[in-house]
Amino acid sequence: DTGVSQNPRHKITKRGQNVTFRCDPISEHNRLYWYRQTLGQGPEFLTYFQNEAQLEKSRLLSDRFSAERPKGSFSTLEIQRTEQGDSAMYLCASSRQGGDQPQHFGDGTRLSIL
Amino acid sequence: SQQGEEDPQALSIQEGENATMNCSYKTSINNLQWYRQNSGRGLVHLILIRSNEREKHSGRLRVTLDTSKKSSSLLITASRAADTASYFCATEEFYTGANSKLTFGKGITLSVRP
Repeated sequence: DTGVSQNPRHKITKRGQNVTFRCDPISEHNRLYWYRQTLGQGPEFLTYFQNEAQLEKSRLLSDRFSAERPKGSFSTLEIQRTEQGDSAMYLCASSRQGGDQPQHFGDGTRLSIL
Repeated sequence: SQQGEEDPQALSIQEGENATMNCSYKTSINNLQWYRQNSGRGLVHLILIRSNEREKHSGRLRVTLDTSKKSSSLLITASRAADTASYFCATEEFYTGANSKLTFGKGITLSVRP
């Protein structure tokens, strides 16, 4: 169990630029989640994959956001035309399939929009 | 939207004392989970309690669940300076589909003074 890995750890970019984050889940986990966390708040659900299928997207995930998990392993989260309000910590988590499974989180990617 | 409300928002105790944190939620749930987050890091799963369970122990942690009051408490006994962190309760809402997304509260900041 090598844990959930997220890259990069930090990303600073100018408003209007596109950014892409990567998440490598624990290898035997077929569920993968993306959350967003702003300062002083708990994580908020963005989207969820079971294997390569994206099964749910939050209303928080505007048209500028897209997530993929093409081979059912790693996942990418892309934000196009970034805005100041996108500044946050983006967290990825993975879990086994089945009921009552804990989620294992990566250390996140902190995005700062200048 | 955030379902959980933790109480208190901040807690400062002396090493060796017990820390009690409370969480309330709004909807029917499959389970409730507690996570810890150190500054700038991802969340670490602490304990999961199913909706049909009333109490669970793990090491120095004791969690209770009262589904009639839609509330839970986390007790950390014999606290240590290393327990200093933010603590979040998260609920997996009752749902017959495949989704197991978590809804988090805003968190409790625990400071343990040496």
